[in-house]
Amino acid sequence: KNEVEQSPQNLTAQEGEFITINCSYSVGISALHWLQQHPGGGIVSLFMLSSGKKKHGRLIATINIQEKHSSLHITASHPRDSAVYICAPLSWGQGGSEKLVFGKGTKLTVNP
Amino acid sequence: DGGITQSPKYLFRKEGQNVTLSCEQNLNHDAMYWYRQDPGQGLRLIYYSQIVNDFQKGDIAEGYSVSREKKESFPLTVTSAQKNPTAFYLCASRNRAHVGVLTFGAGSRLTVL
Repeated sequence: KNEVEQSPQNLTAQEGEFITINCSYSVGISALHWLQQHPGGGIVSLFMLSSGKKKHGRLIATINIQEKHSSLHITASHPRDSAVYICAPLSWGQGGSEKLVFGKGTKLTVNP
Repeated sequence: DGGITQSPKYLFRKEGQNVTLSCEQNLNHDAMYWYRQDPGQGLRLIYYSQIVNDFQKGDIAEGYSVSREKKESFPLTVTSAQKNPTAFYLCASRNRAHVGVLTFGAGSRLTVL
């Protein structure tokens, strides 16, 4: 079983729709990243959160540590939101060092 | 502007050749990382370095080597021992004071012919 499961794997939406991407993980974590990867390949960090909810513009990320689940929401989606969204929990590795574990990503396509 | 520069963006290599991917950062970050990305899979850690002149193997280090002679630079060599080197390689760095927050480079795509 993968340590990080994202759903859905692929998501197609119409412009303006509300988007939800889910992430479940099995490891103990101190925080969780949501990353965005554009078609060119570069990755940017959208959020790092360890509890509750964070909001940046039209993006909202929530996390429930007890249930080991996080969601990324996009309100009023736009074609420029088309990208792969990656969930990456920050878990504790060997020797107490932290380690990022990556989900396989959710490919979002927003059509005009 | 501060950031991470990876080069080359695209690289083609014949089987049996070693190639080196460059990663340079001007963010004054202590830690640097190399990840490999294959289609349909999550990123996997190859090597990481927390300080100059020190580095540790990640989950898939076999067939790769690194050096960290300067804080700004963390080159990755893909050796001929790497059985399946065709992949997208991403370099990242972070400031140890900001636990977990990573900055990524734009990536290098290696294709073995």
